[in-house]
Amino acid sequence: GIQVEQSPPDLILQEGANSTLRCNFSDSVNNLQWFHQNPWGQLINLFYIPSGTKQNGRLSATTVATERYSLLYISSSQTTDSGVYFCAVELASGTYKYIFGTGTRLKVLA
Amino acid sequence: NAGVTQTPKFQVLKTGQSMTLQCAQDMNHEYMSWYRQDPGMGLRLIHYSVGAGITDQGEVPNGYNVSRSTTEDFPLRLLSAAPSQTSVYFCASRPIRVMVYGYTFGSGTRLTVV
Repeated sequence: GIQVEQSPPDLILQEGANSTLRCNFSDSVNNLQWFHQNPWGQLINLFYIPSGTKQNGRLSATTVATERYSLLYISSSQTTDSGVYFCAVELASGTYKYIFGTGTRLKVLA
Repeated sequence: NAGVTQTPKFQVLKTGQSMTLQCAQDMNHEYMSWYRQDPGMGLRLIHYSVGAGITDQGEVPNGYNVSRSTTEDFPLRLLSAAPSQTSVYFCASRPIRVMVYGYTFGSGTRLTVV
């Protein structure tokens, strides 16, 4: 089956630093989404980005579907950015199954 | 517009008990699904439905039943709870044809089986 790998698995930053999270997938996908799971367990939708680039405040994301990867950029990180970041992909075969990546655990220090 | 609503938020069951986790959405989404998240892991698909009367298995369906009698509701049934089913359960929905915002997730149900 499709493999969805995220890197790095763990990341510790000082407040104000920038970071790039990566999501690699092994097969063609129709849909891709980035989520932030906060320390209370809620899944927050960050970007729906099957291709191209989007920006929302300090966050931006780029998906290059032909090369099977997506990047999430966090600039000027804040302590509230702490948590786990997941990417999820849906296979191009139209199976309506979101496959979640392994996650990147981010801790931002004050 | 409430989005995806899950109840209860927390539940403790004894081994062998049965219960139903409720999920409702008010966005008229055709597709609904259930995921479980074990500690330190990503989400895994249990069951999904592409419309009323249509359900299918996901990655980890054993021990769970679902049905879809209306567009709005997609309950998940545990027939005989086991400690291995201790997990956080998330319900999600999306439109079938046109995706603009992606999947919408509920806030989760934290289930402990003792």
